[in-house]
Amino acid sequence: GEDVEQSLFLSVREGDSSVINCTYTDSSSTYLYWYKQEPGAGLQLLTYIFSNMDMKQDQRLTVLLNKKDKHLSLRIADTQTGDSAIYFCAVSPLGGGNKLTFGTGTQLKVEL
Amino acid sequence: GAVVSQHPSRVICKSGTSVKIECRSLDFQATTMFWYRQFPKQSLMLMATSNEGSKATYEQGVEKDKFLINHASLTLSTLTVTSAHPEDSSFYICSASDPEGTDTQYFGPGTRLTVL
Repeated sequence: GEDVEQSLFLSVREGDSSVINCTYTDSSSTYLYWYKQEPGAGLQLLTYIFSNMDMKQDQRLTVLLNKKDKHLSLRIADTQTGDSAIYFCAVSPLGGGNKLTFGTGTQLKVEL
Repeated sequence: GAVVSQHPSRVICKSGTSVKIECRSLDFQATTMFWYRQFPKQSLMLMATSNEGSKATYEQGVEKDKFLINHASLTLSTLTVTSAHPEDSSFYICSASDPEGTDTQYFGPGTRLTVL
């Protein structure tokens, strides 16, 4: 089955850019998502990209997709303390109405 | 838009009792809802896919008689943990997909279950 991997931790200084990486194994993954989870809360959809796109920008967030390497990244510009959370990538071959496979999650810590 | 609620947010129960968790899509109709379980500092594990008006589809290793799922309407799915034991203590999160919208899953805030 699909395997989705992320690095466990990332620490950045406030104001710097953060880059969170995700790799997946199933080349049929067509829909790719980034979710944010704050302590004790559910998941907030941040952004998503389709496999026919290389890049998507949404305010401070930039998603890059390298289909050849099956690599997805989320860049957060001007990282703030409120961005501290766990970030999950999730992939699906068929879209949100179908099963999502989640990555292991990356804990982002923003330091002053 | 695309808000999903869960109730209760936190529940503590005694071993052997049953607990029902509700998941509602507040501003859209969800033909499909999902139930996940999350252990501390771990990712989400899909337990089952719930389709309105039909039986849920359970993932391998999930006991369907223990985790009863009912999706009686287009805005409500319930998960009942029957005869709960301490090992069932976990964070349960539901999600719903909005077929008319952006084809993404929207998540509820989660329910923290503690079984004593």
